[in-house]
Amino acid sequence: DTEVTQTPKHLVMGMTNKKSLKCEQHMGHRAMYWYKQKAKKPPELMFVYSYEKLSINESVPSRFSPECPNSSLLNLHLHALQPEDSALYLCASSQRLAASYNEQFFGPGTRLTVL
Amino acid sequence: DQQVKQNSPSLSVQEGRISILNCDYTNSMFDYFLWYKKYPAEGPTFLISISSIKDKNEDGRFTVFLNKSAKHLSLHIVPSQPGDSAVYFCAASGGKLIFGQGTTLQVKP
Repeated sequence: DTEVTQTPKHLVMGMTNKKSLKCEQHMGHRAMYWYKQKAKKPPELMFVYSYEKLSINESVPSRFSPECPNSSLLNLHLHALQPEDSALYLCASSQRLAASYNEQFFGPGTRLTVL
Repeated sequence: DQQVKQNSPSLSVQEGRISILNCDYTNSMFDYFLWYKKYPAEGPTFLISISSIKDKNEDGRFTVFLNKSAKHLSLHIVPSQPGDSAVYFCAASGGKLIFGQGTTLQVKP
């Protein structure tokens, strides 16, 4: 199984809503990532988990709250988002964080629209 | 400061011909480079990679060349097919992935 799955595929939320994005992988990878991607731009790193511990937070606003319940699951909790947060949110995983020869495998993304 | 650059936003080639996508980087500490392909509304798909100890890596129709002295890498697709039409990102690994801005490849039938 070389797949990273993400749910939901699409999400529309108001600025006062609370929602969560989910990501799952069963490749035994111990590093998992959240990225944000705007149209015609490269993926922008948000958070990195290594062995279920938060390793990197790229100065992301607190209205985004990541969670790694176990080695296969990664969540992104959303609260009080702004319309400019509308984007494609990508989850990725890799064998480990520190290793150089370390491809990241991406999920299909969640298309988020904030009204 | 953009550490990984793809200076051509778009490229158009005829089916069956060679596509060459270029990428430059500034940090000589990068030791691993990857190419990803992305279709609209999908996540990037890993295509091919190369470590800094090599100058070429080949996988089927895809070949990546690395010129360390010039801090330049390129992806060659031969022969190009219409299904190759997508956005191609090069990325450098320095712990985390640093992506270029992407090149949109269009392969015309």
